[in-house]
Amino acid sequence: NAGVTQTPKFQVLKTGQSMTLQCAQDMNHNSMYWYRQDPGMGLRLIYYSASEGTTDKGEVPNGYNVSRLNKREFSLRLESAAPSQTSVYFCASRQPGRTVQYFGPGTRLTVT
Amino acid sequence: GDSVTQMEGPVTLSEEAFLTINCTYTATGYPSLFWYVQYPGEGLQLLLKATKADDKGSNKGFEATYRKETTSFHLEKGSVQVSDSAVYFCALSDRDQAGTALIFGKGTTLSVSS
Repeated sequence: NAGVTQTPKFQVLKTGQSMTLQCAQDMNHNSMYWYRQDPGMGLRLIYYSASEGTTDKGEVPNGYNVSRLNKREFSLRLESAAPSQTSVYFCASRQPGRTVQYFGPGTRLTVT
Repeated sequence: GDSVTQMEGPVTLSEEAFLTINCTYTATGYPSLFWYVQYPGEGLQLLLKATKADDKGSNKGFEATYRKETTSFHLEKGSVQVSDSAVYFCALSDRDQAGTALIFGKGTTLSVSS
C-alpha cells in the first residue's frame, strides 16, 4: 500500500514550457486535491476532484488544468509555465465521509 | 470565508522545553480541525485531529483541544525533542466548503536544539 505517489520529485522548466505532474493513490479514495506550497503562504488549493469524472477550481486555479483520468489518478498540467508557478506541489486524497486528507511527497518545481 | 491563523515562527526551543503553537480559526459551519507536520524534505503527515467542540486530539506526546468558545486549537507538547523539528500546519475542513478541501494556516517552523 503505497498511499499517494507523485512524479516527478523535482523539475526545472523554462518559461513557456509545459509539463504534467502525475498523482496516483491506491486507497480507493473518491476525492483528490492539488495544492501548492509557497514560503509564508501555507498550502493553497489549486483544483480538486470530488469523484471520478468531476473537477472543480480551488483558490488559485489560473495557469493550471487538471484531468481525473480514473479513480486512482489525478494529473495537474501547466500549459505555459511562468516563474510565478515556482512552488512545491502536493497531491492529496480523501476517503468518502471522512475529513482527513493523505498527502503525497510533493513535486518541487522551478521555472526559470 | 473560512480561515486559519497560526502564530508566526520560527520557534526555537531547547530539548525538553514546553511547546505551544497558537492557532485560531474562522468558520461559518462546524469544521473539523487538524494539525499536520512536515519534516524537512517530506510531505505533510497528519499529526492529530478533532472533529467537534471539546474534543482533544493527541499523538506522539502532542495535544490540541477544540475550543469553540475561543475558536482555537492550540498545539502543545510537554517536552520537545530534537526530532520534533519540523513545520507545523494548523488546518480546518468544513463540509460546507466546496470539495471539503483543507484550509491551512501559514505554518510555524519549530527548531529544537540539544
